[in-house]
Amino acid sequence: DVKVTQSSRYLVKRTGEKVFLECVQDMDHENMFWYRQDPGLGLRLIYFSYDVKMKEKGDIPEGYSVSREKKERFSLILESASTNQTSMYLCASYPLGVGFSQKYTDTQYFGPGTRLTVL
Amino acid sequence: DAKTTQPNSMESNEEEPVHLPCNHSTISGTDYIHWYRQLPSQGPEYVIHGLTSNVNNRMASLAIAEDRKSSTLILHRATLRDAAVYYCILRPQGGSEKLVFGKGTKLTVNP
Repeated sequence: DVKVTQSSRYLVKRTGEKVFLECVQDMDHENMFWYRQDPGLGLRLIYFSYDVKMKEKGDIPEGYSVSREKKERFSLILESASTNQTSMYLCASYPLGVGFSQKYTDTQYFGPGTRLTVL
Repeated sequence: DAKTTQPNSMESNEEEPVHLPCNHSTISGTDYIHWYRQLPSQGPEYVIHGLTSNVNNRMASLAIAEDRKSSTLILHRATLRDAAVYYCILRPQGGSEKLVFGKGTKLTVNP
């Protein structure tokens, strides 16, 4: 079974702190994603990565950065946490899709989420 | 990015069928339709996917309109464990690999 793990289920930080959220997947997937989820807004994509050291901005990248030094690990960084970054953060991964191959039927696997509170 | 439209919420009774609709009028010819669900306090999980033909698996059925502009996720006998937010998303081919999640439909199942 694919496993996507996140470093913490719950995290409490103070405004201005630097925060690292870690995500690890064990299925050699190329694509990894960070989402945040807020009531009434659904899942919103922050950043994603399709290979080591590669990253692309999602819909709401402001205030965040990411790091992908190894294929299995994708880190989300809040350089200076603010209260409006209090949220549920979800990491996901899936393999690279190519053309019309069956890989386009592959599913995205999610971690359990990290509930971050910034005071 | 192709977008989907779903009702914000739906309600069902236990052991009755549930039909969750999704509109995707801007779908391109080769986009796959994926459904995920998110149980309370968990990350989303895969439910089913399809391209043109209707699909069945142990969790649900997916009915896709002939013009592919809409689809319906069918839970044949809802249970209390099916209470979740259901997301309909399109997997684009070529270009970016990102998936766009909408707000989903919150399904409430009454005992």
